[in-house]
Amino acid sequence: GAVVSQHPSRVICKSGTSVKIECRSLDFQATTMFWYRQFPKQSLMLMATSNEGSKATYEQGVEKDKFLINHASLTLSTLTVTSAHPEDSSFYICSAVLLETQYFGPGTRLLVL
Amino acid sequence: AQSVTQPDIHITVSEGASLELRCNYSYGATPYLFWYVQSPGQGLQLLLKYFSGDTLVQGIKGFEAEFKRSQSSFNLRKPSVHWSDAAEYFCAVGARLAGTASKLTFGTGTRLQVTL
Repeated sequence: GAVVSQHPSRVICKSGTSVKIECRSLDFQATTMFWYRQFPKQSLMLMATSNEGSKATYEQGVEKDKFLINHASLTLSTLTVTSAHPEDSSFYICSAVLLETQYFGPGTRLLVL
Repeated sequence: AQSVTQPDIHITVSEGASLELRCNYSYGATPYLFWYVQSPGQGLQLLLKYFSGDTLVQGIKGFEAEFKRSQSSFNLRKPSVHWSDAAEYFCAVGARLAGTASKLTFGTGTRLQVTL
């Protein structure tokens, strides 16, 4: 139980394009999901909190116009990296909350050329 | 503000040996405590968590952790390590917030290497 999926698992895009990453809770409903970014050999950096039916809450220093988050249903949150640049290349991980516990997706590797 | 310290960046143990990964936290009250494991290129898998009650918590894959309030610690242990346990281990702390899912503060992680 408490399975979270992400799609795609990896994506390569050209600089200036937008990329959408999906996060789904497969066997439970999640009012809250979180989006993280992880640099190589580092811990997770929280980017934003995604609440179903309301605007996302972004952490300090995270550009909300660049990282668009939509939590349209209780099982789906999306992160769109707009006008991606090479510095946006990273490993993006989402989590979904069930009973005060975060369950993580497998991550999405983004490479911007 | 809450914080988590994992003092050991890298630990190497022999297969079959016991393991203890250290985690110390800073928080005004008793927080929610978690241990997650991450294999290369993968997401995080929940090993175990402590919310309240028995301070010795059993998790998956034979792991256990003990909450010690007096030491602000939540160390992870396993009596006999398997080669497949090689991974990155993260301790995390969450605030107790009524009616709201809490953010997690992660430690910097401990990389476990297992020698055969």
